[in-house]
Amino acid sequence: GENVEQHPSTLSVQEGDSAVIKCTYSDSASNYFPWYKQELGKGPQLIIDIRSNVGEKKDQRIAVTLNKTAKHFSLHITETQPEDSAVYFCAANTGGFKTIFGAGTRLFVKA
Amino acid sequence: DSGVTQTPKHLITATGQRVTLRCSPRSGDLSVYWYQQSLDQGLQFLIQYYNGEERAKGNILERFSAQQFPDLHSELNLSSLELGDSALYFCASSVGQGENEKLFFGSGTQLSVL
Repeated sequence: GENVEQHPSTLSVQEGDSAVIKCTYSDSASNYFPWYKQELGKGPQLIIDIRSNVGEKKDQRIAVTLNKTAKHFSLHITETQPEDSAVYFCAANTGGFKTIFGAGTRLFVKA
Repeated sequence: DSGVTQTPKHLITATGQRVTLRCSPRSGDLSVYWYQQSLDQGLQFLIQYYNGEERAKGNILERFSAQQFPDLHSELNLSSLELGDSALYFCASSVGQGENEKLFFGSGTQLSVL
């Protein structure tokens, strides 16, 4: 089955700096890659997603890139702000009924 | 607010007991998913239902069972509880059957087994 690895587990950046979170997946059939943000005491919330026929997608300060050959995908947050502090999860879906999540990255943005 | 409602928010019980977690999906969503999140762990997929039928199973223990009712709400039943079952249980919903679909998560039920 699909396995998603996520790095780093913890990331601390200064406000205004960029943050990058990287994920790899194992199943070459995976074709949908969402990213979720989980704030303290809340459920995960979808922030951006990318499909396998697209290499990059941007939404304001966040962007995702996908390298299908290497089975890598990454989340980039620019001009980080304290409210970006949260746990971020990458995930992969093979077009079946399961969305498999990475272990999560705890992002701290220091003011 | 995601539109997914989970009750109760907190549940404290003893080992060996049985509990039921409830989830109401967003209006119009036919799929319900259950995930388990242990301390400092990621989201472990348990099971998915679409329009009342089981669609996919993950690492769900035999002591756990779920169902989706005609009104589309879902219940996750956990029995013979062990200390290790203590976790945050999330329900999510999506419009269709789950292929490449966005999931909307509830706020979770925090289960503590003492």
